[in-house]
Amino acid sequence: NAGVTQTPKFRILKIGQSMTLQCTQDMNHNYMYWYRQDPGMGLKLIYYSVGAGITDKGEVPNGYNVSRSTTEDFPLRLELAAPSQTSVYFCASTPLDRAAVNSPLHFGNGTRLTVT
Amino acid sequence: SQKIEQNSEALNIQEGKTATLTCNYTNYSPAYLQWYRQDPGRGPVFLLLIRENEKEKRKERLKVTFDTTLKQSLFHITASQPADSATYLCAPGEYGNKLVFGAGTILRVKS
Repeated sequence: NAGVTQTPKFRILKIGQSMTLQCTQDMNHNYMYWYRQDPGMGLKLIYYSVGAGITDKGEVPNGYNVSRSTTEDFPLRLELAAPSQTSVYFCASTPLDRAAVNSPLHFGNGTRLTVT
Repeated sequence: SQKIEQNSEALNIQEGKTATLTCNYTNYSPAYLQWYRQDPGRGPVFLLLIRENEKEKRKERLKVTFDTTLKQSLFHITASQPADSATYLCAPGEYGNKLVFGAGTILRVKS
């Protein structure tokens, strides 16, 4: 199992450009999450998904969009990049189901994004 | 709003000693609390989970306590080693698995 795989590892964008951060997991987990991590700050939840076709906003969704067409993939889209979106982005998944309300998250190794 | 506080200063300790990290939370009644380890340039890795009805949880050299009255969790690493040097994140969670993460505490273990 590769676990949670994120691509690219690094990216530099100009203001106003768009890009998609890719996330895929091979563990058949139904829940998937996108977090951003800024220096000295905790992980902030951007969007999450409880299964294919279902997504919901987290704490800081503005400027981002997601889709979940398959169980494995959960891409994060930035439409008009802004300097405030400079951050490290982490994707995570968990096999949470109705019987297990607090299972651990499995994280990818992140995408470091700089917007200039 | 919900607030998670972890030691903002790095914790420097000598090899072999016990490291104790603190996680305090306010405006919050988590049903459980998770601890993660994060190495530079890597994603967080799950270490331990403790539920609200558990006072203490152990795993090898790790021990976690959870005091819902004090709204605090303590994370202990006994017989610490340089390889334990990392950032440790606490994440209280409510039902539905929407975790809220603290900013983390940097632990440095010197030989």
